Amino acid sequence: AQSVTQLGSHVSVSEGALVLLRCNYSSSVPPYLFWYVQYPNQGLQLLLKYTTGATLVKGINGFEAEFKKSETSFHLTKPSAHMSDAAEYFCAVSDRNFGNEKLTFGTGTRLTIIP
Amino acid sequence: DAGITQSPRHKVTETGTPVTLRCHQTENHRYMYWYRQDPGHGLRLIHYSYGVKDTDKGEVSDGYSVSRSKTEDFLLTLESATSSQTSVYFCAARGPVSSGANVLTFGAGSRLTVL
Repeated sequence: AQSVTQLGSHVSVSEGALVLLRCNYSSSVPPYLFWYVQYPNQGLQLLLKYTTGATLVKGINGFEAEFKKSETSFHLTKPSAHMSDAAEYFCAVSDRNFGNEKLTFGTGTRLTIIP
Repeated sequence: DAGITQSPRHKVTETGTPVTLRCHQTENHRYMYWYRQDPGHGLRLIHYSYGVKDTDKGEVSDGYSVSRSKTEDFLLTLESATSSQTSVYFCAARGPVSSGANVLTFGAGSRLTVL
């Protein structure tokens, strides 16, 4: 069974500082990996995804993540935080199997930006 | 939200009453999902559908049933609501095809309170 662990349920950074949100996965087969963002009172939106190819993936709003197989990690980063980045972020994993359409989500990390 | 509408958006009900949440999509997606979101648990899959009248259980399916009589509608029913089912419920659908593997598009959520 696949799973993801997000380290830190709450992260606070100052505006302009580096954002680093951690995600480690467990999967018996090479996974697909995703980061989703949820703004208050809204559904989840896709930030970025890794399926195959380049291990450094760029997403929307200046975010990027790097797939590291040796570390089973898919950490999310942004060089300079903006106030608008305040939200909850979810890492998710699914099998490399188009017959299995289910995503497993982590418990989320709430990001607070300090002015 | 790529044409995914959830109704009702908010509902307060009493223990023991039946509740039905509706998810409607206009994108002709084959796969649809119901998740619940609870603090400290992230999103957990309740049920999913891979076609009309084709459904399967997720990790937290006890106390819930689903139906999909046509492609665009996926209904989640709580036969006899309990306080432990107080949660925010999200519907999701797979697609668009151009976005690649297992990318879910989410509705805005339905907040259910069981008193």
